[in-house]
Amino acid sequence: DAGVIQSPRHEVTEMGQEVTLRCKPISGHDYLFWYRQTMMRGLELLIYFNNNVPIDDSGMPEDRFSAKMPNASFSTLKIQPSEPRDSAVYFCASSSGTQLTDTQYFGPGTRLTVL
Amino acid sequence: KNQVEQSPQSLIILEGKNCTLQCNYTVSPFSNLRWYKQDTGRGPVSLTIMTFSENTKSNGRYTATLDADTKQSSLHITASQLSDSASYICVVDGRSGTYKYIFGTGTRLKVLA
Repeated sequence: DAGVIQSPRHEVTEMGQEVTLRCKPISGHDYLFWYRQTMMRGLELLIYFNNNVPIDDSGMPEDRFSAKMPNASFSTLKIQPSEPRDSAVYFCASSSGTQLTDTQYFGPGTRLTVL
Repeated sequence: KNQVEQSPQSLIILEGKNCTLQCNYTVSPFSNLRWYKQDTGRGPVSLTIMTFSENTKSNGRYTATLDADTKQSSLHITASQLSDSASYICVVDGRSGTYKYIFGTGTRLKVLA
């Protein structure tokens, strides 16, 4: 298996622009997670899906952030409009199994820079 | 307030030496505690997952311990290798129905030849 795939790996955009990050989870995994990592705040869970349904989005920082999972093999995280403070590395992870013992497999991340 | 504190913030050791990283938490309720290794420029990789009833769990040269009474965990690395140079992140799942991850800020380990 190729693991969790994220695209793009790097994104540089200007403030106010729309940014879309993409994720393909490991086939057969029924949980998908979006994380953000910054030097100041470390790793933060933004939102997670179970069987394509958003379960908890309490970590999403603002209404400018939205996430979708139209099918089991694809998810997007959109920021509109983007701001410089959104600059971070965004990780997608997926898992399968019972909730207590599931191992999450992370993608390589998308490094976002908002100028 | 739910918090996870890790110490030390950074650590430098010589190859072949052992080391122990600490994680103290105040998260409640508690579901499980996870240790991740994150190489520079890459996503975190899971090392161990422990529920409150587990005291020790090993993964090769990595051994994690958990004391649910004192709310402390440690990650012991035996016979360190250059490839152990990474950040180690402790995560406590304080879920009550849904995932509720509280992340530590990590310990940055550097192993020197």
